[in-house]
Amino acid sequence: GQNIDQPTEMTATEGAIVQINCTYQTSGFNGLFWYQQHAGEAPTFLSYNVLDGLEEKGRFSSFLSRSKGYSYLLLKELQMKDSASYLCARDTHGDYKLSFGAGTTVTVRA
Amino acid sequence: GAVVSQHPSWVICKSGTSVKIECRSLDFQATTMFWYRQFPKQSLMLMATSNEGSKATYEQGVEKDKFLINHASLTLSTLTVTSAHPEDSSFYICSTFRPASISGELFFGEGSRLTVL
Repeated sequence: GQNIDQPTEMTATEGAIVQINCTYQTSGFNGLFWYQQHAGEAPTFLSYNVLDGLEEKGRFSSFLSRSKGYSYLLLKELQMKDSASYLCARDTHGDYKLSFGAGTTVTVRA
Repeated sequence: GAVVSQHPSWVICKSGTSVKIECRSLDFQATTMFWYRQFPKQSLMLMATSNEGSKATYEQGVEKDKFLINHASLTLSTLTVTSAHPEDSSFYICSTFRPASISGELFFGEGSRLTVL
């Protein structure tokens, strides 16, 4: 399998910062995706990292270390609407056939 | 707006009946579409890859005779769950990508929640 591991749950307060870690098997790895999924809805794209380093997009940033098989999604200035499941996914050889982690449920409290 | 449209959003059927789910790309031609299944509180699992004009390729453990996939046009793929049983109750989601895209973004449909009684 792809052995994609991420924490099951995280809780934080509004305005805080949350870092969601994801580890994966490096064999055949091409790129790492992060998706947000609200309950009962389809996932929405957040980021795609192919190269090492940090990519910032507004309040959300994603980091990748190819050699370590490690990524994280950083959520800043948390808002209540950020309460959702965050899915780490990888593709192999750029074929868009994604293998997903089980998701991290983030709960934002007032 | 939406890039991929999927319907029905919800479907309830009796055990033994067949259910068809449609997935359409709205503003580009999609030669390849993917079908995923998600059970409650579990990860999305890739079921099959739908290829326009050719047979679908199925992931290990997915019964191709039970989950029929047709990709007859560049904008439409259908998944038919044949002789559905309660254990087939799940959230089915299609996805595709924009040709020649460099962003790597995969677009998902709204998902179809199937309940088999």
